Amino acid sequence: SQQGEEDPQALSIQEGENATMNCSYKTSINNLQWYRQNSGRGLVHLILIRSNEREKHSGRLRVTLDTSKKSSSLLITASRAADTASYFCATDAGNTPLVFGKGTRLSVIA
Amino acid sequence: EAQVTQNPRYLITVTGKKLTVTCSQNMNHEYMSWYRQDPGLGLRQIYYSMNVEVTDKGDVPEGYKVSRKEKRNFPLILESPSPNQTSLYFCASSFLGASSNQPQHFGDGTRLSIL
Repeated sequence: SQQGEEDPQALSIQEGENATMNCSYKTSINNLQWYRQNSGRGLVHLILIRSNEREKHSGRLRVTLDTSKKSSSLLITASRAADTASYFCATDAGNTPLVFGKGTRLSVIA
Repeated sequence: EAQVTQNPRYLITVTGKKLTVTCSQNMNHEYMSWYRQDPGLGLRQIYYSMNVEVTDKGDVPEGYKVSRKEKRNFPLILESPSPNQTSLYFCASSFLGASSNQPQHFGDGTRLSIL
């Protein structure tokens, strides 16, 4: 029942550049969440955007949601080496468990 | 400190030897869940629990059991482990259900190797 699919699978950028990751999903959702996972560690919640919201900000993170296209994007501005991690989107369709995508591996090179 | 604690963090064992991975949360969350993470497959949900004594199968429940006798604990049991259960396991919890616009809090993971 894979729902969210992240794109690209891997992304490598220089420190200071912006990083954009995309997530596409298939069915209607209540909300979409983005998580970060440092190598070998648990996932950490970054931001949640509800289905009636179009854009949300948190520090250097900007998330957009387009329910007509069933897609979301996560933008990390002015990236740092410490942003190197895997990023996952997760969709909540209501009355069903959260479904995670396979993730985007971000490498930020100092 | 609010946290989800899994034990053990690492385990190497042999086929058929029953094992239990414990998970405990101190945030009074109703919802708890187990995932496994495998290369190329992402996170897949094994079982989840909406509250005490209420558990449901996720996407890949075969070969696993869970119980929820107390709100804070949600152990994952492998009655007869097999090599295809070698994986990285995560426990997670949240307030109410996953459909309540609440984020999930994850443990640091248990790396399980079954020989």
